[in-house]
Amino acid sequence: GAGVSQSPSNKVTEKGKDVELRCDPISGHTALYWYRQSLGQGLEFLIYFQGNSAPDKSGLPSDRFSAERTGGSVSTLTIQRTQQEDSAVYLCARGAVVNTGELFFGEGSRLTVL
Amino acid sequence: TQLLEQSPQFLSIQEGENLTVYCNSSSVFSSLQWYRQEPGEGPVLLVTVVTGGEVKKLKRLTFQFGDARKDSSLHITAAQPGDTGLYLCAGPGSGGSYIPTFGRGTSLIVHP
Repeated sequence: GAGVSQSPSNKVTEKGKDVELRCDPISGHTALYWYRQSLGQGLEFLIYFQGNSAPDKSGLPSDRFSAERTGGSVSTLTIQRTQQEDSAVYLCARGAVVNTGELFFGEGSRLTVL
Repeated sequence: TQLLEQSPQFLSIQEGENLTVYCNSSSVFSSLQWYRQEPGEGPVLLVTVVTGGEVKKLKRLTFQFGDARKDSSLHITAAQPGDTGLYLCAGPGSGGSYIPTFGRGTSLIVHP
């Protein structure tokens, strides 16, 4: 596979609840990206981690969204007080070892907010 | 912001037909990637094109990068049902950003 595991694969939650989505890339890749894919929309960038540098959070749509990456490996995307418009597939990707712009995606976490 | 426009948005064809999908921009890209995404899966990298005018072949898929590096095309010969999926093009963000920007994709259905 792409060497990126995401969990859960599906999550159904009620409006107002908090959710955590996990991304676990194979070791040795310092670049990690989160994207969101809504029905009929393209991939929307959310956040980018690169080594020990401060993450690029410029794509996070609101302060209800946050992400962290512990130990340079596993990343968690947290959405607080979920809204129906947060329903989407959340995709995590690792960058190539040499930064070529190529991404290797996990299978995604489908979030449904009722 | 560097935008990538993909066309057509949807394509429904019969097995054995040929097709071409397009990825266009008003900006110059140092490289472009093509991905295929099947339902319930993440996008899978197909190819990277780097040089203007470059042509790359992957079995029945032919990728071309425009001479001016502003556009790219994907041609599929004798499409098969297994080619069904969402085809996405992507390129580096503006100003040398390491954050790839994606087109909205072409959704292809190949009927047996």
